[in-house]
Amino acid sequence: AQSVSQHNHHVILSEAASLELGCNYSYGGTVNLFWYVQYPGQHLQLLLKYFSGDPLVKGIKGFEAEFIKSKFSFNLRKPSVQWSDTAEYFCAVNTNAGKSTFGDGTTLTVKP
Amino acid sequence: GAVVSQHPSRVICKSGTSVKIECRSLDFQATTMFWYRQFPKQSLMLMATSNEGSKATYEQGVEKDKFLINHASLTLSTLTVTSAHPEDSSFYICSAYFRGTDTQYFGPGTRLTVL
Repeated sequence: AQSVSQHNHHVILSEAASLELGCNYSYGGTVNLFWYVQYPGQHLQLLLKYFSGDPLVKGIKGFEAEFIKSKFSFNLRKPSVQWSDTAEYFCAVNTNAGKSTFGDGTTLTVKP
Repeated sequence: GAVVSQHPSRVICKSGTSVKIECRSLDFQATTMFWYRQFPKQSLMLMATSNEGSKATYEQGVEKDKFLINHASLTLSTLTVTSAHPEDSSFYICSAYFRGTDTQYFGPGTRLTVL
């Protein structure tokens, strides 16, 4: 069975700092990879996804992620965070007809 | 992105009663919907896969007789928590799966509190 590991449980940054959230998965076959964001009191929203092609994918709100197949990683990055990026971030892997496995999530707190 | 609605957004019920939660895909026909449970400060736990016109597929450890799922149409799936107990209190989230993009679109969730 596949699993997803997010290394950082809680990250605290000041505005304008750079962000990198780690995500590793375990699965030997082809995967589709996702990052979701959940703002306080709101539902999950898709930030970005990787299916194939360029391993560096760009998403909404200035986020990007890089798929490194050899490391089974799909880390999320943003060069300069804003206070409004405070949220919960989830990495997820699809392997079978849309069925997703989620990581435990990372809480990002951005201090103004 | 696509819009998925859930109703109700919040429900409080007495122990022993049943609660029905609706999940609607407003923008596309979803042959597959998923039901998740999310505990505070934790990730989403997949409960079951709801397939239109067939029985739901439950994940290991999820009681199918307690969490009844009905996917009656291509835009509606319902989750009924039967004989609810306080330990069933949680945040229940559904998603509609669009096969063309292998992407799930999530509903806003339903906060269930069982007294």
